Amino acid sequence: DAGVIQSPRHEVTEMGQEVTLRCKPISGHNSLFWYRQTMMRGLELLIYFNNNVPIDDSGMPEDRFSAKMPNASFSTLKIQPSEPRDSAVYFCASSFFRGSNEKLFFGSGTQLSVL
Amino acid sequence: GEDVEQSLFLSVREGDSSVINCTYTDSSSTYLYWYKQEPGAGLQLLTYIFSNMDMKQDQRLTVLLNKKDKHLSLRIADTQTGDSAIYFCAESRSNTGKLIFGQGTTLQVKP
Repeated sequence: DAGVIQSPRHEVTEMGQEVTLRCKPISGHNSLFWYRQTMMRGLELLIYFNNNVPIDDSGMPEDRFSAKMPNASFSTLKIQPSEPRDSAVYFCASSFFRGSNEKLFFGSGTQLSVL
Repeated sequence: GEDVEQSLFLSVREGDSSVINCTYTDSSSTYLYWYKQEPGAGLQLLTYIFSNMDMKQDQRLTVLLNKKDKHLSLRIADTQTGDSAIYFCAESRSNTGKLIFGQGTTLQVKP
């Protein structure tokens, strides 16, 4: 398996622009997570899905952030409008949730810079 | 509190042992994890321990769990320069499928 695939690898955009980050989880996994990593706040869980349904979005910073999972093999995280404080590395991770021992597999991340 | 706590930085000499410590919050966490992040990469699962165990050994890695104090540690024996990375501990919040990570410990290995 190719692992969790994220695109783009790097994104540089201007304040106010819309940004869409993409993720393809590992085939057969039924849970998908979006994390954000910054120096100041470390690794924060933004939202996670189970069987394509959002279970907990309490970590989404504000309404400018939205996430979708239209099917088991694709998810997007959208920021509209983007702001400089959104600059971070965004990770997608997937797992096969069985109620215990959740081994997460991470993508390589998207480095987002908002100027 | 809600946070998983780790010290931020550890520096050791090549060949020495490294011990990275972590305190977690959810006493009902069934599994606790150690992840490794190398520069420019995502996190990779290193090892994990079930909450009814107090020790797990896997080659150069030893995980110790003190459930009473909610304290987890990772010992790396004979630390190599390739072990330089950020190490994250994580707890699984009961029956939710989500992991809560500490802020990560940067391990620097000096030759």
